[in-house]
Amino acid sequence: GAGVSQSPSNKVTEKGKDVELRCDPISGHTALYWYRQSLGQGLEFLIYFQGNSAPDKSGLPSDRFSAERTGGSVSTLTIQRTQQEDSAVYLCASSLQAGATDTQYFGPGTRLTVL
Amino acid sequence: EDKVVQSPLSLVVHEGDTVTLNCSYEVTNFRSLLWYKQEKKAPTFLFMLTSSGIEKKSGRLSSILDKKELFSILNITATQTGDSAVYLCAYSTNAGKSTFGDGTTLTVKP
Repeated sequence: GAGVSQSPSNKVTEKGKDVELRCDPISGHTALYWYRQSLGQGLEFLIYFQGNSAPDKSGLPSDRFSAERTGGSVSTLTIQRTQQEDSAVYLCASSLQAGATDTQYFGPGTRLTVL
Repeated sequence: EDKVVQSPLSLVVHEGDTVTLNCSYEVTNFRSLLWYKQEKKAPTFLFMLTSSGIEKKSGRLSSILDKKELFSILNITATQTGDSAVYLCAYSTNAGKSTFGDGTTLTVKP
């Protein structure tokens, strides 16, 4: 079946604008993760959804960042009033069920550039 | 503070060499240790380790976990240019949260 998909693949925006990044997980996967990866750096955890439980937001860097997961499937990461330091690749991953397996399948990422 | 430290940060070898990549971690409520390979875009899964001392193998790659000393190694034998990538180590906690290291950049020269 289809893997994790993300859109857009690239996004260029001006400082101060809001952006929305979308993630479609693998069908049937109950866990969904958002990460950020700056150039040459490892993955920085942002937020994690597991089923209908309250999301783990402990990695969100500021209150300008928020995420939703509607219907237990598609997720949207919103960054308000973007800053240049928000420029990075935003990766989404899903896994079958946290606890059953931790293998995460990653999407291709959205490269965000804030001018 | 929970963390993952990978070493070396970068490594350059020639085809046919054997490499060992290291990953040490400190975490409460540890559940599993994972290795990923990242080439141009998204990471791809290599191994998940949950038990100490049991080696996992996939072709020329193998990995083992030491839960007492809190580290894991990833071995690649008879390296090929296609092995050039960033290798990421991560742990998952019982709550399902994952933390990644900064990765080891491996370059295999012909």
